[in-house]
Amino acid sequence: GAGVSQSPSNKVTEKGKDVELRCDPISGHTALYWYRQSLGQGLEFLIYFQGNSAPDKSGLPSDRFSAERTGGSVSTLTIQRTQQEDSAVYLCASSLGVAWETQYFGPGTRLLVL
Amino acid sequence: GNSVTQMEGPVTLSEEAFLTINCTYTATGYPSLFWYVQYPGEGLQLLLKATKADDKGSNKGFEATYRKETTSFHLEKGSVQVSDSAVYFCALSGSASGGSYIPTFGRGTSLIVHP
Repeated sequence: GAGVSQSPSNKVTEKGKDVELRCDPISGHTALYWYRQSLGQGLEFLIYFQGNSAPDKSGLPSDRFSAERTGGSVSTLTIQRTQQEDSAVYLCASSLGVAWETQYFGPGTRLLVL
Repeated sequence: GNSVTQMEGPVTLSEEAFLTINCTYTATGYPSLFWYVQYPGEGLQLLLKATKADDKGSNKGFEATYRKETTSFHLEKGSVQVSDSAVYFCALSGSASGGSYIPTFGRGTSLIVHP
């Protein structure tokens, strides 16, 4: 079946502009995670959605970052007033349930802020 | 809080050499442990996992044993191939017995295997 998809695969934007990154999880997966991967760094947790529960936003680095998940499926990560330090690969993962279940990752969106 | 420490890379080996990538962790409770692999140009995918002490995860010739006494989950393979060249991430998360549902990842270890 289809895996996790993300779009766009690459995004170049100017400092100060807003960007939206999209994630389509595997159908039936109730858990969805966003991570940020910077060069030479591990995966930095950003936000977690589980079913209809309120999302865990504890990893969002500033109030310029927000995310939503519509209908328990597609998720959008929005970065407002982008800064150069936001340049990174943004990864989305989904799983059947909770964290000890295997996570299935999308290919990522590579964001470059000029 | 939870943390995962992996050996620095890159690790460069000749084909058929023995591979060890060290991973140690700090966590409360009894976490589940994972190795994920990221091949060039692809997303991360699960390589193997272990959910309790002394469990051995294995896949594609790779093995890792959950050692609670040394808080380690070292990845090993007896004979690497060029196709194993990738970045390997050690990770932990909570388990059915408790702990954080937010996974913690190491920084990744790049493996380069040449013919």
